[in-house]
Amino acid sequence: EDKVVQSPLSLVVHEGDTVTLNCSYEVTNFRSLLWYKQEKKAPTFLFMLTSSGIEKKSGRLSSILDKKELFSILNITATQTGDSAVYLCAVRTGNQFYFGTGTSLTVIP
Amino acid sequence: EADIYQTPRYLVIGTGKKITLECSQTMGHDKMYWYQQDPGMELHLIHYSYGVNSTEKGDLSSESTVSRIRTEHFPLTLESARPSHTSQYLCASSEYTGELFFGEGSRLTVL
Repeated sequence: EDKVVQSPLSLVVHEGDTVTLNCSYEVTNFRSLLWYKQEKKAPTFLFMLTSSGIEKKSGRLSSILDKKELFSILNITATQTGDSAVYLCAVRTGNQFYFGTGTSLTVIP
Repeated sequence: EADIYQTPRYLVIGTGKKITLECSQTMGHDKMYWYQQDPGMELHLIHYSYGVNSTEKGDLSSESTVSRIRTEHFPLTLESARPSHTSQYLCASSEYTGELFFGEGSRLTVL
């Protein structure tokens, strides 16, 4: 059975802290791994990773994939209150996307 | 910015009513999906489509049905709504290798 597991389930940090969110997976026919940010509405796309060891970066957010150990991490540096959200990891296999339960991040001023 | 639209955004209805949640995308994507998400919970795939006249059930058992008569349109129908159907329904689409684009969601409450 294909599955995606995220940790931690929730996290509370202070502004300025750096956080690392984890996503591990066990799937057949891996195509790509995606990170999304979900606030009150629909998830918004952050990164898509297909190759091991190549960091993707956007501002204070970065992510990397390890296809040998079957995991990815999402780093957020110098966190801000606007980073408070649920961060979802999804793995694409063929034509389907499997989602983890998400990590709920709360950034306190 | 993704061009995928869902209506209604919010709906409160009584038990036993028939409802259709609309989803349209203007990106020409062949693949479309419906997910159900309860507050604080993961997304569960309930239906998907690879193209016109192609529909499949997802991992989560659902009493809803879908149709795909046109590429851009993927409506979801509940023939007889029950309180257990109260949830958020997210429509999404993708190209063959790209990311999943989501609509704004339809939040359904069945009384």
